[in-house]
Amino acid sequence: QKEVEQDPGPLSVPEGAIVSLNCTYSNSAFQYFMWYRQYSRKGPELLMYTYSSGNKEDGRFTAQVDKSSKYISLFIRDSQPSDSATYLCACDNTNAGKSTFGDGTTLTVKP
Amino acid sequence: NAGVTQTPKFRVLKTGQSMTLLCAQDMNHEYMYWYRQDPGMGLRLIHYSVGEGTTAKGEVPDGYNVSRLKKQNFLLGLESAAPSQTSVYFCASSTTGLAILSGANVLTFGAGSRLTVL
Repeated sequence: QKEVEQDPGPLSVPEGAIVSLNCTYSNSAFQYFMWYRQYSRKGPELLMYTYSSGNKEDGRFTAQVDKSSKYISLFIRDSQPSDSATYLCACDNTNAGKSTFGDGTTLTVKP
Repeated sequence: NAGVTQTPKFRVLKTGQSMTLLCAQDMNHEYMYWYRQDPGMGLRLIHYSVGEGTTAKGEVPDGYNVSRLKKQNFLLGLESAAPSQTSVYFCASSTTGLAILSGANVLTFGAGSRLTVL
């Protein structure tokens, strides 16, 4: 079993829709939870990260972590065609110095 | 500010040939990583380094070697390429969690090197 499992997708939504991207993890030592966005044929780039449980909002993006259920989510409000990309969740135990990634979910937002 | 630069961007090899991928970062980061990305398998860690002169194995190290002779460079070598090593390779760097107030190990990735082994 992988330490980080991500809903595989792909997802296709109309412009303006609310998008929910989800991951589960099994390692209780994970403390930091990141979301990376990867455009086609580019390297991943950090979108946002959260420490422990709770929510974090950045514009149209909200990251949510529930450590009790080992569940992490990324919500995108008012989705735009420019949000079309692969989204990767990642979990980290800072002591280990290396992140464990989910397989990614490819999102397409249609105009 | 260039960030993380990978060379070459594309390479085609024949089975059994050798090659080296170069990663260079100009952010003075301590940690550097090599990942491979295959369809449906996400990013898998090959090797990583926690500082100049150090290397460690990741999740899928077999068939690869690495060296970190200078802090800013991290080299990934394939001694005898196999078709199973056809992939997109990403280098990343980060500063340690202790060095930044947030504590998060945030990775900065390069643009990738696309390798095909025939």
